[in-house]
Amino acid sequence: DGGITQSPKYLFRKEGQNVTLSCEQNLNHDAMYWYRQDPGQGLRLIYYSQIVNDFQKGDIAEGYSVSREKKESFPLTVTSAQKNPTAFYLCASSIRKETQYFGPGTRLLVL
Amino acid sequence: GESVGLHLPTLSVQEGDNSIINCAYSNSASDYFIWYKQESGKGPQFIIDIRSNMDKRQGQRVTVLLNKTVKHLSLQIAATQPGDSAVYFCAETTGDYGQNFVFGPGTRLSVLP
Repeated sequence: DGGITQSPKYLFRKEGQNVTLSCEQNLNHDAMYWYRQDPGQGLRLIYYSQIVNDFQKGDIAEGYSVSREKKESFPLTVTSAQKNPTAFYLCASSIRKETQYFGPGTRLLVL
Repeated sequence: GESVGLHLPTLSVQEGDNSIINCAYSNSASDYFIWYKQESGKGPQFIIDIRSNMDKRQGQRVTVLLNKTVKHLSLQIAATQPGDSAVYFCAETTGDYGQNFVFGPGTRLSVLP
């Protein structure tokens, strides 16, 4: 059963804490992306990766970090430097610029 | 609940009627367009795509129309069903990789019984 999985579905962050969101895909896609979704706005790109061991900043990378050690995995860390982390985070993958397929999302809330 | 787009434009249609959702895109160089459907608390789901060398593309119960002259994209849903209730948004892109995707904020479709 191919697809993209994200975990956890809900994540709570305390002040000053780093948290990591998981994203895994078994679609054999080279490219993976992280987006942030806020109410009333379009998706905004945080980071993307076109191949293993390489990634690039998107439009709103400050306060976030990623790694791409395996083709299947693209975890996102929300650091304490991100002052407004409450949002719905979406991971996607694609073959080059073709259709991006999204995971189910992780909702991050601040305690 | 987990609402996506609390202040989005809303389109209300009667069950069984046709729906038309519009999207104005920004970049005249965009050459690939996608419509997504997003239900509350879930990830976006691909509906249909179209390339800039086409004006129209049809899928199952859905049709996408592209007017490059006025940079306008529309999604038509035939015989709208309750399960079609969701937020619909368009995406445009140019370039070799998906880092250039630009997503619209979306329109909420509400299907009335």
